[in-house]
Amino acid sequence: DTEVTQTPKHLVMGMTNKKSLKCEQHMGHRAMYWYKQKAKKPPELMFVYSYEKLSINESVPSRFSPECPNSSLLNLHLHALQPEDSALYLCASSRDSSGANVLTFGAGSRLTVL
Amino acid sequence: QKEVEQDPGPLSVPEGAIVSLNCTYSNSAFQYFMWYRQYSRKGPELLMYTYSSGNKEDGRFTAQVDKSSKYISLFIRDSQPSDSATYLCATQGAGTASKLTFGTGTRLQVTL
Repeated sequence: DTEVTQTPKHLVMGMTNKKSLKCEQHMGHRAMYWYKQKAKKPPELMFVYSYEKLSINESVPSRFSPECPNSSLLNLHLHALQPEDSALYLCASSRDSSGANVLTFGAGSRLTVL
Repeated sequence: QKEVEQDPGPLSVPEGAIVSLNCTYSNSAFQYFMWYRQYSRKGPELLMYTYSSGNKEDGRFTAQVDKSSKYISLFIRDSQPSDSATYLCATQGAGTASKLTFGTGTRLQVTL
């Protein structure tokens, strides 16, 4: 199994809603990542979990809250988002976070904030 | 100056052409170099990964790194319409938990 699975594929939410994005991998990878990608832009790193501990937070606003319940799962909790947060949210994993970060990406969750 | 510069295109070529995609970078500490392909509305997928300078070939794809000029290239031979996608170069330093730095991506269209 060489996949990173993200759900939901599409999400529309209002600015007062609370929702979550989910990510799962069964490759035994010990590093997991959240990226945000706007149209025609490269992915921007948001968070890195290494061995289930948050190792990098790229100064992301607190309305985004990551969680890593176990080595296979990664969540991104969303609350009080703004329309400018509308983007493709990509989850990725790698064997670990040392050496080359050869990332396997999921297909993404496309988020629209109204 | 961005750490990794990449021409956004779009680049349009006929089927069968040789495609050359390029990036330049500014940080001499970068040691790992990757090329990702991203189809519309999909996540990026790793195409090639090289460490330090040199060439690496995989089927129709060749990745080339010249650290002396801080220049990385991806060549696609016998391009196919299925190669139409955005190609992102990415670089990384050698330190533990060093982050990937992506180029802006080049959009490639291979026409029949």
